[in-house]
Amino acid sequence: DADVTQTPRNRITKTGKRIMLECSQTKGHDRMYWYRQDPGLGLRLIYYSFDVKDINKGEISDGYSVSRQAQAKFSLSLESAIPNQTALYFCATSAGLAGFNEQFFGPGTRLTVL
Amino acid sequence: KQEVTQIPAALSVPEGENLVLNCSFTDSAIYNLQWFRQDPGKGLTSLLLIQSSQREQTSGRLNASLDKSSGRSTLYIAASQPGDSATYLCAVRPNQAGTALIFGKGTTLSVSS
Repeated sequence: DADVTQTPRNRITKTGKRIMLECSQTKGHDRMYWYRQDPGLGLRLIYYSFDVKDINKGEISDGYSVSRQAQAKFSLSLESAIPNQTALYFCATSAGLAGFNEQFFGPGTRLTVL
Repeated sequence: KQEVTQIPAALSVPEGENLVLNCSFTDSAIYNLQWFRQDPGKGLTSLLLIQSSQREQTSGRLNASLDKSSGRSTLYIAASQPGDSATYLCAVRPNQAGTALIFGKGTTLSVSS
């Protein structure tokens, strides 16, 4: 079984809709991250969380919000989706300093906003 | 602001060749550097992690080096195979507390049989 899972894997939605992407991990890691990947722009950090009570904005947080429901769950929400949020979204985890911060990625969610 | 650059953006080689992928970063104050592989439309697979105090790491046919003072890392792939065809991403974690990875845009490798 995958250590980092993301649901849904693919989603097509319309402008203005609220969308939630979910991430779960069984690695026991305390740190979780959301990135988006766009052709020609690479991966960019949206939000990250170092524990359940810690939420931090990344490079491109505008238009997004997150919730860390438990150590193993980190969800990303688009309150009102817009077409330029069409991208491949990745969740990642790491064990923090004790684990040298090696990051492990989920399989990704392909989101299309029409 | 830390920036990560990967050159070349794309590379085509025949099977069996040894090859080197390059990664450079602008700020040498990094905690570690990680190399990933990404197949088309798929997630990222961690290949090698080099701590700032290390010079290189090896895994099978892969060897990654780190020269922090010059802001460079290389990924050496020995005896390339068609199955090595993928995009290779380099990412650094800055020293500052509370920061996550900063990625290069990747090198897309094609190995022909």
